[in-house]
Amino acid sequence: DIQMTQSPSSLSASVGDRVTITCRASQGISNDLGWYQQKPGKAPKRLIYAASYLQSGVPSRFSGSGSGTEFTLTISSLQPEDFATYYCLQHHNYLTFGGGTKVEIK
Amino acid sequence: EVQLVQSGAEVKKPGESLSISCYASGYSFTSHWIGWVRQMPGKGLEWMGIIYPRDSQSRYSPSFQGQVTISVDKANNTAYLQWNSLKASDTAMYYCAAPNLGYWGQGTLVIVSS
Repeated sequence: DIQMTQSPSSLSASVGDRVTITCRASQGISNDLGWYQQKPGKAPKRLIYAASYLQSGVPSRFSGSGSGTEFTLTISSLQPEDFATYYCLQHHNYLTFGGGTKVEIK
Repeated sequence: EVQLVQSGAEVKKPGESLSISCYASGYSFTSHWIGWVRQMPGKGLEWMGIIYPRDSQSRYSPSFQGQVTISVDKANNTAYLQWNSLKASDTAMYYCAAPNLGYWGQGTLVIVSS
């Protein structure tokens, strides 16, 4: 099975900061990766699909990049509503989540 | 509008059986994989298994193989997650999701306690 290593597991940042989260796949997964945001008590919400495509309705400050084994989610200017936990999910060979990144207020 | 609507919260005793459901609407149910995700209190997301409704082909995560059963009722656009004998460690929030569409249910809280 494909393993997804997500880093960092947590980070502290201020409003307006640029934030980058990385996922590394144990083998190549093409661009079969999505990024999800989860807030406490809520279901996850997809932000990015196919590694770099913005889900409809998601603010343009979110972007994704990468292909193969290395992937990045970037928030260009962190907003108060972005404090949440973020997960990557590969669907190249069935499904595997990354371990999550909790984005907290500095 | 695509919607996945899950059944309500459950409180059960260890050893009891349980089936929770996920009703899909707004898309072709038989054309997209649908699966279940566990989230234990304060923990991350874990895929349990997925099923292709058209032919009921399924795949389970090794951690959940033999512990749960995933099934579908094509006539009623509904997916199910079943346990034969619950344990206290099954206490968690369970989500259904259509992963290639990016849609999720609202979650079903399962509490197993004597």
